[in-house]
Parts: sequence; C-alpha cells; structure tokens
Amino acid sequence: QSALTQPASVSGSPGQSITISCTGTSSDVGRYHLVSWYQQHPGKAPKLIIYEGNKRPSGVSNRFSGSKSGNTASLTISGLQAEDEADYYCCSYAGSSTWVFGGGTKLTVL
Amino acid sequence: QVQLQESGPGLVKPSETLSLTCTVSGGSISTYHWSWIRQPPGKGLEWIGYLSSSGSTNYNPSLKSRVTISVDPSKNQFSLRLGSLTAADTAIYYCAGGDSPHSFDNWGQGTLGTVSS
Repeated sequence: QSALTQPASVSGSPGQSITISCTGTSSDVGRYHLVSWYQQHPGKAPKLIIYEGNKRPSGVSNRFSGSKSGNTASLTISGLQAEDEADYYCCSYAGSSTWVFGGGTKLTVL
Repeated sequence: QVQLQESGPGLVKPSETLSLTCTVSGGSISTYHWSWIRQPPGKGLEWIGYLSSSGSTNYNPSLKSRVTISVDPSKNQFSLRLGSLTAADTAIYYCAGGDSPHSFDNWGQGTLGTVSS
C-alpha cells in the first residue's frame, strides 16, 4: 500500500482556478469511486471538502469540485480566494477496509 | 454533528506503547465508522486503522503488527494502542469518522504523541 501521489505545491492568483491531481493505481483510485479530499489550515485538523469523488458535504463552497479519470483523481478550486490557502490531501479506499492518503499539496494564493 | 476528543499521555519512551482514547459526543459510537489517522510534524497524513459500526477492525498493513483498536460502547469511547515505539512514531494523532467508512466527516483536534527517552 503506497501513498497516493500529489504535487508538493501549486499556486494561483485570486479569482483563478487551480487543479490538484492525485495519482494512485488500479487497486485504489482506479478501482473505486471512493476518493475524498481534505483541506487543512496550519495548526488545525483536516476538514472534509469532497467525498465519493465529486460530492460536497453541506456547507462546503461549490467552488470546490472533484473528478476522476483512470487512476488519477483531481480537485479543482475555482474563483480562488485568500482563505483557500492551505494544505490539501486526497484519500482513497484501497480495498479490504483499508485507506491510503496522498502526500499532500500546499496551495499558495499569490 | 458528532464531536470527538482525543486524550492520552503526550510523552512515551522508545519501545513502549502509546495508548490514546477518543471520546465521542453528540451521537452513539455504535452508529458510525471510525478511524485513527496520524501526522508527523511537518508531514502528511497516514491512515492507521479502522473500527466499523459493528465493532470489526482493520489496520494499515505497515503498522498491523503493532496496532490495536478497541471500543467501549458504555463510555462512547474507542482507543488506539501502538507498541514498539520509535522516534518515527512521533506525530499528531487524530480520531475521525462519520456515517460512511469512506470519508472522514468529523475530526478530533488531535493530540501530539512524542516518543523520546
């Protein structure tokens, strides 16, 4: 069970859109529509922002969206805002009641 | 909305066992699915293990030989035991869970577990 692969960092200007990729294998991301995404601000616990690939919990802005193609899931944030600056983690079900996280991506809002 | 609170000793010696408890409020522990997740300082998240609503457990293969998760429904608590500790186990330990086993809707604030002599 290897960690999912995310870019270490991405950046964008306010109002722009950015996409964070999350690459796994045919045993996790590629097999299940069960990728979730988490936002973590410094010193805080992670917060669920996307589940089951493309669903948003109540209260999460519709500027956040998720998708998947093959073994790669993606998180897109549109209309970038200063408050979006945070670390983002993907997580996928890997079968047999196990889960695997990505290494995390630091988003900088320029 | 359920709330979670981790508790346990912050400092543990190498080779010893870390024991943490997660207290759940605002809902019955037997209704939801739970996990323990950790984050070494300055690093990413690592899933440790899972406790289903029916009480079954499963663990990260890389930690399986050292981890035990248990539940005490009478106290609405579940616990983590991680043995044979090394400095690499120093991390913030979170309990998390929710309606689905596949997404961690609710998180505790996290507790720092430091392994040091």
